[in-house]
Formats: sequence, structure tokens, C-alpha cells
Amino acid sequence: QITLKESGPTLVKPTQTLTLTCTFSGFSLSTNGLGVAWIRQAPGKALEWLAVIYWDDDNRYRPSLKNRLRISRDIAKTQVVLTMTNMDPVDTATYYCARRFVGDAFDIWGQGAMVTVSS
Amino acid sequence: SYVLTQPPSVSVAPGQTATITCGGDNIRSKSVYWYQQKPGQAPVMVIYYDSDRPSGIPERFSGSNSGNPATLTVARVEPGDEADYYCQVWDSGSGQVVFGGGSKLIVL
Repeated sequence: QITLKESGPTLVKPTQTLTLTCTFSGFSLSTNGLGVAWIRQAPGKALEWLAVIYWDDDNRYRPSLKNRLRISRDIAKTQVVLTMTNMDPVDTATYYCARRFVGDAFDIWGQGAMVTVSS
Repeated sequence: SYVLTQPPSVSVAPGQTATITCGGDNIRSKSVYWYQQKPGQAPVMVIYYDSDRPSGIPERFSGSNSGNPATLTVARVEPGDEADYYCQVWDSGSGQVVFGGGSKLIVL
């Protein structure tokens, strides 16, 4: 069974750095073609892709947020970590991690982690 | 940057067929993916590679990308199909995943 689960703080202050961890099981991020992505959704808004890391350790970022994002992986711990610097109230959202499967689509998603940015 | 356009809502009576559109520049040249999201839940993939269904997704869900817009069709709509539906592509030009704005399927 393939599962992913997000963990991290529920509340961060403006200007702080957010660190979210995606712990997954049931697949290996070393498998050719696979990846793990981060996607967020502000309350009542659409899905917004943030970043993806691939089986070969390559990565891609949302261009508008590239300077604030960093994605990394720990194969042994089966974890993918996303850091986002200089948090702002507009970054308040549910943050999902998801497995990148075929093409550039996401077949399995975590339950999501709600992050509020407020002083 | 690349934009995917979806109608905010689509309404349909139970048992009827719902069609949700997803428009984008030269979308036929891209693979389109569709997700269903029910309130308070994570999205679920319902269509990949334009028209393929993941295992466990009913045959009532079908996709097409033979013209602009791409479409998601839900046949014999049930009350449980009421949800937000998002289309998604990979835009090689900007090197990023793009989601549409989402369409709420309302079952009357």
C-alpha cells in the first residue's frame, strides 16, 4: 500500500521559514520515473503546484516562488522535505505532498497539512 | 505563463451526463490529467494521459483531448460525484505543472 503523510508546524509567523516533511511508504524514490511533489491550496482556492523532486535527484520549482523554495530528499528515511522562506499570510494553505507517477501527474496524495501564517 | 481555463461550475441532474471543459493554448499537444476533490479531502486522480482511468475509477468517468478544450465527462451522474474537478498539464515552456482553476460539479 502506497501512502504519503505531511508533517510540520500548523502555525508560523510572518518572515519565518516553513519546513514540511513528507514521509512516504510503499515505493522507492530511487525507482526510475517516480517523484514526489508539493502542492498547496489556499482556503477556497485552486490547487497550486510548488515543486517536485525526481528519482534522479533532479528538481523543478514554481518559477514565481523559486527563490523561496527548496526541495530535498532522504532516500533512507523515505522522506522529502520542502522549505519555504520568508512566509507571508498569503501562504496560508493546506500543503499536500503527492507521488509523481506517469507523465507529470500525481496518483497518490497525502492527507494534507494546514499551515497558517499569522503573527 | 500557461493558463488552463475551466468553468466555475457545472450543474446536472442525477442520471444525466456532465461535461467539464479545460481550455488552454495548443492543449492537444499536451497530456491532460483530471482530479476529483471532495470537501475536506485530498484530490484523487480520475483520468491520466487524456483518457486513461486509474484502477478503481468507475467507467462512468472518461476524458478526451482531441480538440480545444479538453473534456472530462461523467456519465450517469450520481450524488456522490458532487465535487471540485481540476485539470492539469505539464507546461514544458515554463517548466512547471499547471492546474486549472477548478470546476464545481453540482448534482441537482
